[in-house]
Amino acid sequence: SQTIHQWPATLVQPVGSPLSLECTVEGTSNPNLYWYRQAAGRGLQLLFYSVGIGQISSEVPQNLSASRPQDRQFILSSKKLLLSDSGFYLCAWSVPGGPYQPQHFGDGTRLSIL
Amino acid sequence: DAKTTQPPSMDCAEGRAANLPCNHSTISGNEYVYWYRQIHSQGPQYIIHGLKNNETNEMASLIITEDRKSSTLILPHATLRDTAVYYCIVTNFGNEKLTFGTGTRLTIIP
Repeated sequence: SQTIHQWPATLVQPVGSPLSLECTVEGTSNPNLYWYRQAAGRGLQLLFYSVGIGQISSEVPQNLSASRPQDRQFILSSKKLLLSDSGFYLCAWSVPGGPYQPQHFGDGTRLSIL
Repeated sequence: DAKTTQPPSMDCAEGRAANLPCNHSTISGNEYVYWYRQIHSQGPQYIIHGLKNNETNEMASLIITEDRKSSTLILPHATLRDTAVYYCIVTNFGNEKLTFGTGTRLTIIP
């Protein structure tokens, strides 16, 4: 069966520090991968999605970036964090190509910027 | 993607059926209705989806009106573990970029 792992579960970072969040998927090949952010009390906002290695689409301009160095690895990064980057970050995957493929989410990383 | 409207909150007694409405009056012919839920501090969980026929799985039933302008998610026998925020999402065939609104906060009352 397929599983998705995100780490760390919680993270506290100072303003201006770098960020690297990692997401890996097991049990499937060539998944679509997604990064979402959820601010406190708000809905989920899609940040990036990827349909293959090295292929990244950005949905919202910001100081975050994403990379997909391997088929089942998706990384969210920042060179300098802002206070507004605080939130709950979620990685998700889906089977590509079909109309009935739901997204499956990880347990998320709660990021606090001080 | 079509916009959806959901009530911000609902209560339901434990053991009763929970009926969560969603309005999507601008839905187009190739857009599917998806339902997800998010239990506090966890990632969203897929529940069910449909195009125009009613659907049922082990978690819930989805009733879509004939004109497809609204739908209802039914949890037949709600338990305390069903307390969560429920999201109704409308998206195109093949479009896997989901737009989550603020959903309905469902509270199951013991």
